[in-house]
Amino acid sequence: GQQLNQSPQSMFIQEGEDVSMNCTSSSIFNTWLWYKQDPGEGPVLLIALYKAGELTSNGRLTAQFGITRKDSFLNISASIPSDVGIYFCAGQLSGYGGSQGNLIFGKGTKLSVKP
Amino acid sequence: DGGITQSPKYLFRKEGQNVTLSCEQNLNHDAMYWYRQDPGQGLRLIYYSQIVNDFQKGDIAEGYSVSREKKESFPLTVTSAQKNPTAFYLCASSIWEGQPQHFGDGTRLSIL
Repeated sequence: GQQLNQSPQSMFIQEGEDVSMNCTSSSIFNTWLWYKQDPGEGPVLLIALYKAGELTSNGRLTAQFGITRKDSFLNISASIPSDVGIYFCAGQLSGYGGSQGNLIFGKGTKLSVKP
Repeated sequence: DGGITQSPKYLFRKEGQNVTLSCEQNLNHDAMYWYRQDPGQGLRLIYYSQIVNDFQKGDIAEGYSVSREKKESFPLTVTSAQKNPTAFYLCASSIWEGQPQHFGDGTRLSIL
């Protein structure tokens, strides 16, 4: 099936640091979504992107839909302890109908607090 | 409050047993989805339904079955044919296909 490459797999944050993660694919996507998942809970939608080049913010979070439509990044500025968790990117392939409207998920970036 | 409710939170299955996971939404969404999540993995699609009385297999449908008799309900049955059922199961819905999906809080299934 289709693959999304999400990196880094994990990272440690210190309060106040900026964080950056990205997703890339060989396929062109119609939509990019970013989710955050806390342990034992379902993913929560953070940001949705619909147009190539689009830059969208949600508080301290900023995400961009890559110009080539094959990548997206998420930045977290001035991180705080409650930012820890797993962040997933998800892309929807171009076209509708059949399975085209379904999401493809990256494997996640796990944010932990620096010891 | 509008949302997606999954139950139970934890479920145990004996060998050879079928178990059913519940998913209910009161968001009036047309599309519903079931995913399986294993440690360190992304979400893998089991089944999806774009409208009542219709559903399609996802990437890993073997050993699972679903029904969509009502718009708000999309139960998943893990059958005895699923040899490795231990996982975290997530249900999601979207207003229609292709729109952002919203998730329930999951059911963790374990083998006794």
